[in-house]
Amino acid sequence: EDQVTQSPEALRLQEGESSSLNCSYTVSGLRGLFWYRQDPGKGPEFLFTLYSAGEEKEKERLKATLTKKESFLHITAPKPEDSATYLCAVRPTGGFKTIFGAGTRLFVKA
Amino acid sequence: SQTIHQWPATLVQPVGSPLSLECTVEGTSNPNLYWYRQAAGRGLQLLFYSVGIGQISSEVPQNLSASRPQDRQFILSSKKLLLSDSGFYLCAWSRTTNEKLFFGSGTQLSVL
Repeated sequence: EDQVTQSPEALRLQEGESSSLNCSYTVSGLRGLFWYRQDPGKGPEFLFTLYSAGEEKEKERLKATLTKKESFLHITAPKPEDSATYLCAVRPTGGFKTIFGAGTRLFVKA
Repeated sequence: SQTIHQWPATLVQPVGSPLSLECTVEGTSNPNLYWYRQAAGRGLQLLFYSVGIGQISSEVPQNLSASRPQDRQFILSSKKLLLSDSGFYLCAWSRTTNEKLFFGSGTQLSVL
């Protein structure tokens, strides 16, 4: 069964303290892996798409990487405005379904 | 540019009452449209998707239904709400089934 597991469930960082969020996935075939950011009471906002192992994408303080079984979202020198829930999702080959993980809630304290 | 509108933002309904949530997309044609539900601490659950007018696929058996009366309009309905229908409902669109999703701002539904 296609599955996405994110860890940790919650992460508390001090401003400037770099860390990584993990997304482990099990799919029969991967068409794409997506990262989204979701603020409380809002819809998710797209961050990155990764298609193949070894691929990396960067945007400001965020960098996403992909292996054959997991993806990491690295946050370098985070700021309080980076506080949000980060969602990982996979698009298996075949069908129309994008499968989401439960997310990692990130809290960055000034 | 493309935009997605979803309303209402908040809704409180009694058990057994009907439901109608509406979503419209602007600035694109023939989008793929989706309804998701998000429970606290859980991943987004796909409820319905549509690749064209009148074409609706259901992912989860329930007392909800969806319709697509126009190319860029997607409606989520129920004839009689249950307590378990409470949650955060999100409409989304994509250009193709393989691409990223663009989400609306969501509707927080409380069934009391």
